[in-house]
Amino acid sequence: EVQLVESGGGLVQPGGSLRLSCAASGFTFSSYWMSWVRQAPGKGLEWVANIKQDGSEKYYVDSVKGRFTISRDNAKNSLYLQMNSLRAEDTAVYYCARSGGSCYMYWGQGTLVTVSS
Amino acid sequence: DIQMTQSPSSLSASVGDRVTITCQASQDISNYLNWYQQKPGKAPKLLIYDASNLETGVPSRFSGSGSGTDFTFTISSLQPEDIATYYCQQYDNLPSFGPGTKVDIK
Repeated sequence: EVQLVESGGGLVQPGGSLRLSCAASGFTFSSYWMSWVRQAPGKGLEWVANIKQDGSEKYYVDSVKGRFTISRDNAKNSLYLQMNSLRAEDTAVYYCARSGGSCYMYWGQGTLVTVSS
Repeated sequence: DIQMTQSPSSLSASVGDRVTITCQASQDISNYLNWYQQKPGKAPKLLIYDASNLETGVPSRFSGSGSGTDFTFTISSLQPEDIATYYCQQYDNLPSFGPGTKVDIK
């Protein structure tokens, strides 16, 4: 059974940093692109970043470029999102998702990031 | 960047009604269009991929069609458990989601 379990969310002050993790199991992690998708409270879904199987390609939504870094450790079956210079508008539930072709077939349960003083 | 629009933003229908949601892309995305269902407090669930393919295990009352820039999602007979928000998502280059359509029971 495919499982994606996010962790690392919490309350952080504006300008602060946070590192999210996603532990993957039930599939060959190194064979799939992986993504982070977020959802601000009461709002829609927003793709944040994705990373190729070997980590050689990474892409970001414009609003997080230069502040967020996506990475992965295939030996640990883990995906990460390092978030720096956090802003109030980064407040959201962050989902880890497995890419499959053009779609996201598997999602984690999400981890809440709150940026507030 | 490709922008996605959805209409309506919300709708209210009776059990058994046919429900249709449209999604429009700002440029040609071929059939790289997926549909998700999200219930409150839950992660999205893939229903339709590549515009018209039903994900395994998804009831056949859900369907999708379209290509290029215009796409349609249909629930042929609305059921109480279909109350949710529905999102389209394109993946022609970098992915993006539509703003969502909230479906309620009248």
